[in-house]
Amino acid sequence: GNSVTQMEGPVTLSEEAFLTINCTYTATGYPSLFWYVQYPGEGLQLLLKATKADDKGSNKGFEATYRKETTSFHLEKGSVQVSDSAVYFCALWTGGFKTIFGAGTRLFVKA
Amino acid sequence: EPEVTQTPSHQVTQMGQEVILRCVPISNHLYFYWYRQILGQKVEFLVSFYNNEISEKSEIFDDQFSVERPDGSNFTLKIRSTKLEDSAMYFCASRPTGTSGISGTGELFFGEGSRLTVL
Repeated sequence: GNSVTQMEGPVTLSEEAFLTINCTYTATGYPSLFWYVQYPGEGLQLLLKATKADDKGSNKGFEATYRKETTSFHLEKGSVQVSDSAVYFCALWTGGFKTIFGAGTRLFVKA
Repeated sequence: EPEVTQTPSHQVTQMGQEVILRCVPISNHLYFYWYRQILGQKVEFLVSFYNNEISEKSEIFDDQFSVERPDGSNFTLKIRSTKLEDSAMYFCASRPTGTSGISGTGELFFGEGSRLTVL
């Protein structure tokens, strides 16, 4: 079945460090891939998305490239800020009624 | 900007009691969902709802759970007889269709959640 695997956290970084959160997926067909972010006490919100192979999604300095050959969609940011502290979820959607989420990766950024 | 709203934000109940969680999806969206999150971790799919019926449900969504769209705006999740393990954050989400037809882009719009505590 379809699934999403992302690196376990928590990830702790100093401000201005480089961030990578790994995400790989298993899916039949050609899924759309997403990163959602959950700030403390809030619901999930879409951070970025990519709908086909080699697409790069980007938003707020974050980016991720849809790699079909490695079935990956790793999230990166060149210089993190304290305000980026949150839980990040990788997700996939194959056009049906359900979006599947990874387990989430908690990021702490220290000043 | 339109948003998904959920009530209550927090509910405490005794085991065995019935609970209804309410959601108002974004008005022109056609797909509605309930997810739950235990202890701030994995987001688990419960059920999807389209065209006034359940379109897909997970193994978690057993006979104790039901959903309803009683009018044109509300979408509710009912738990008939709560158990301790139902304690979680419950998120409602909705999804628009895209211009290319029924599928759309797949982006989900989430509410801020209803925290359920079962004692």
